[in-house]
Amino acid sequence: EAQVTQNPRYLITVTGKKLTVTCSQNMNHEYMSWYRQDPGLGLRQIYYSMNVEVTDKGDVPEGYKVSRKEKRNFPLILESPSPNQTSLYFCASSLKSAVGVGELFFGEGSRLTVL
Amino acid sequence: QKEVEQDPGPLSVPEGAIVSLNCTYSNSAFQYFMWYRQYSRKGPELLMYTYSSGNKEDGRFTAQVDKSSKYISLFIRDSQPSDSATYLCAPFGGGSYIPTFGRGTSLIVHP
Repeated sequence: EAQVTQNPRYLITVTGKKLTVTCSQNMNHEYMSWYRQDPGLGLRQIYYSMNVEVTDKGDVPEGYKVSRKEKRNFPLILESPSPNQTSLYFCASSLKSAVGVGELFFGEGSRLTVL
Repeated sequence: QKEVEQDPGPLSVPEGAIVSLNCTYSNSAFQYFMWYRQYSRKGPELLMYTYSSGNKEDGRFTAQVDKSSKYISLFIRDSQPSDSATYLCAPFGGGSYIPTFGRGTSLIVHP
């Protein structure tokens, strides 16, 4: 089954304790991206990757790191989480075309609470 | 001004109603217009998309784009409680390689 898998789905942590949210896709997609979704603010892009070893900042990259060492995986790293990073996080992937990223396939989401 | 604007709602309608969900955008270069549907506690899923201006129909859903006024609409006929979700518009193209998401409109269809 074609899917984007995120882990963990739910996490409560404390300020400053490093954490990683993993994302894996089995569709051989070049493009992968991380979003956070907050009430009233909608989906905001954190980082994206056009291909292996190529990553770029989105709209809200502060406090986050990513890496793309393999095509299927795109982990999101919070080196020192703070309460304002409490949010619902989505990973997404897509094929690329000449005109742009096409249909995005989203994971189920990871709800993170930072105390 | 945000590049893509949507009224967040919630929009509450009775079952069977015709629903109109709308977006406005500022980038006149956008060429592709996607609608995603997001159920509670789930990731968004592509519902349908159109290219350039015009209409596209898929069952009870019709997507409409008016590029002259930079206005995107999604119509749902004979709405069902299972249509209750948040609907996000996401245009791209014309130099904008990555979709820009609106904030989404929450729709509630009550029996």
